[in-house]
Amino acid sequence: SQKIEQNSEALNIQEGKTATLTCNYTNYSPAYLQWYRQDPGRGPVFLLLIRENEKEKRKERLKVTFDTTLKQSLFHITASQPADSATYLCALLRQAGTALIFGKGTTLSVSS
Amino acid sequence: GAGVSQSPSNKVTEKGKDVELRCDPISGHTALYWYRQSLGQGLEFLIYFQGNSAPDKSGLPSDRFSAERTGGSVSTLTIQRTQQEDSAVYLCASSFRPGHDSPLHFGNGTRLTVT
Repeated sequence: SQKIEQNSEALNIQEGKTATLTCNYTNYSPAYLQWYRQDPGRGPVFLLLIRENEKEKRKERLKVTFDTTLKQSLFHITASQPADSATYLCALLRQAGTALIFGKGTTLSVSS
Repeated sequence: GAGVSQSPSNKVTEKGKDVELRCDPISGHTALYWYRQSLGQGLEFLIYFQGNSAPDKSGLPSDRFSAERTGGSVSTLTIQRTQQEDSAVYLCASSFRPGHDSPLHFGNGTRLTVT
């Protein structure tokens, strides 16, 4: 069956360090992968989209990589700040339709 | 500009009652999605609309769940004869067009509690 796994439910790091979150998928061949941020009590907010022919995408302190051979995406936040504390979700397009399927998310806590 | 609006933001209902949840998407967005998020769980896809039709309703958990969209805009998710396991946050999202490269814009959800 198709699965999206974000390998850790929680990640705790110190301010200024780089946070690296992992998204693995099986039985998909996605052309695109998206990352979202979700704060408590709010809906997810879109951050970045990376296409299968793009190895890396950057936006300010964010960097996403996409390895279709490993079936894995890495999401990096450099120079992390307490304000980066949130749950980060990866999402893929369903093979059978046009709805995004989400991982369960990784909750990042950045301490000062 | 205005984002996706959902109402009510909170709903408490008794088991067995029917509830209606409303979603106002961003103007001009043709695609509309409903997801459900239970405590500690990921987002569970329920149904997707393109215009007023629902090409993919495969995520609806039972025939107690239904949704409609009118005028290519507002959508209503209806849950009949609510059960305690229906308690969750129901999230609506819209996108400019369906498919791979159009990001979803989410509302802040309706928190449904069935007592």
